[in-house]
Amino acid sequence: GDSVTQMEGPVTLSEEAFLTINCTYTATGYPSLFWYVQYPGEGLQLLLKATKADDKGSNKGFEATYRKETTSFHLEKGSVQVSDSAVYFCALSGGASGTYKYIFGTGTRLKVLA
Amino acid sequence: AAGVIQSPRHLIKEKRETATLKCYPIPRHDTVYWYQQGPGQDPQFLISFYEKMQSDKGSIPDRFSAQQFSDYHSELNMSSLELGDSALYFCASSLRTVVNSPLHFGNGTRLTVT
Repeated sequence: GDSVTQMEGPVTLSEEAFLTINCTYTATGYPSLFWYVQYPGEGLQLLLKATKADDKGSNKGFEATYRKETTSFHLEKGSVQVSDSAVYFCALSGGASGTYKYIFGTGTRLKVLA
Repeated sequence: AAGVIQSPRHLIKEKRETATLKCYPIPRHDTVYWYQQGPGQDPQFLISFYEKMQSDKGSIPDRFSAQQFSDYHSELNMSSLELGDSALYFCASSLRTVVNSPLHFGNGTRLTVT
């Protein structure tokens, strides 16, 4: 079945460092890919998405490119801030599991130090 | 903009008691999803509804049931509560007519079973 694999955390960075959180997926068909962010005590918020190969999603300085050849959707940010500290979830929908099913990765906790 | 509303935010119950969680989706959204998130875990899909009919079923225990009402709000009913049911329960909504519409999450209900 469909699955999402994320790099394990926690990831600890200094402010203004470059961030990469790896995400790879297994799915048949043409899934859409998402990154969600969860701040303490809150629900998941959509950060960005990409719906087809080579699409780049971007928001708030974060970017991720849908790479079908490597089945990856890595999250990047050029310069992180303390306020970016949160848990980041990679997710897909529309694969073999069905268009309306969302599969989440296990989340990667990011901690940014001032 | 209106978001997904969940109530209550916190709930404390004893073993073998029952609990009811409520979810009010974003206006005009026709699909509701319920997720369970244990400490440090990714969200686990429980069940979803589209236009008031059950759409998909995930790892929802037989002790749990859910429904979506005519005003599109949804309720998750949990009976014979166990210690292992302690978790964050999220509701999410989406608009199915928009292909690969992202999920919009509420802030969750934190259930503690003692």
